[in-house]
Amino acid sequence: DADVTQTPRNRITKTGKRIMLECSQTKGHDRMYWYRQDPGLGLRLIYYSFDVKDINKGEISDGYSVSRQAQAKFSLSLESAIPNQTALYFCATSTSGRYNEQFFGPGTRLTVL
Amino acid sequence: AQSVTQLGSHVSVSEGALVLLRCNYSSSVPPYLFWYVQYPNQGLQLLLKYTSAATLVKGINGFEAEFKKSETSFHLTKPSAHMSDAAEYFCAVTLTGTASKLTFGTGTRLQVTL
Repeated sequence: DADVTQTPRNRITKTGKRIMLECSQTKGHDRMYWYRQDPGLGLRLIYYSFDVKDINKGEISDGYSVSRQAQAKFSLSLESAIPNQTALYFCATSTSGRYNEQFFGPGTRLTVL
Repeated sequence: AQSVTQLGSHVSVSEGALVLLRCNYSSSVPPYLFWYVQYPNQGLQLLLKYTSAATLVKGINGFEAEFKKSETSFHLTKPSAHMSDAAEYFCAVTLTGTASKLTFGTGTRLQVTL
């Protein structure tokens, strides 16, 4: 069984729609992250959470919001999707240790028309 | 602020040839450095990491990387490429004390030809 799961794996939506991407983990990690990947730009951090009550903006948080419903669940929302939010979205988790190895989910491919 | 630069967005090697993927970092304090690999339609997985112990780091699948402070580099190598190595490779950096904020490079896509 996968340790970090993301749903849906693929989604096509229209401009202006509200979209929620979900991430669940069974690794027991405290820290969770949302990234987006765009060709030629690598991965950029959207939001991260060190525990249920600690949520922080990343590099590119505008247009996104998150919810940490439990230690194991971290959701990313696009309140009003726009075409330049078309990307591959990854959730990741890590322990609170020093070396910060992050474990990634399989990704959600989002297309906004 | 920290950053990493990966030289070459695409690298092509023949099967059996040396793989060299370049990564240079910028950091005002000692960094922790990582290489991740992304196979098609999958998430990223850790290849290896440098955490201020040995400067030559060995990872999975025969890959290794050497931390060179004087050159601010952390290049990834493998002596002999295999077809299964075809993937995208990302270098990433985090700083001691900034726990959990990884900064990724733009990635290098490795193609392996017969």
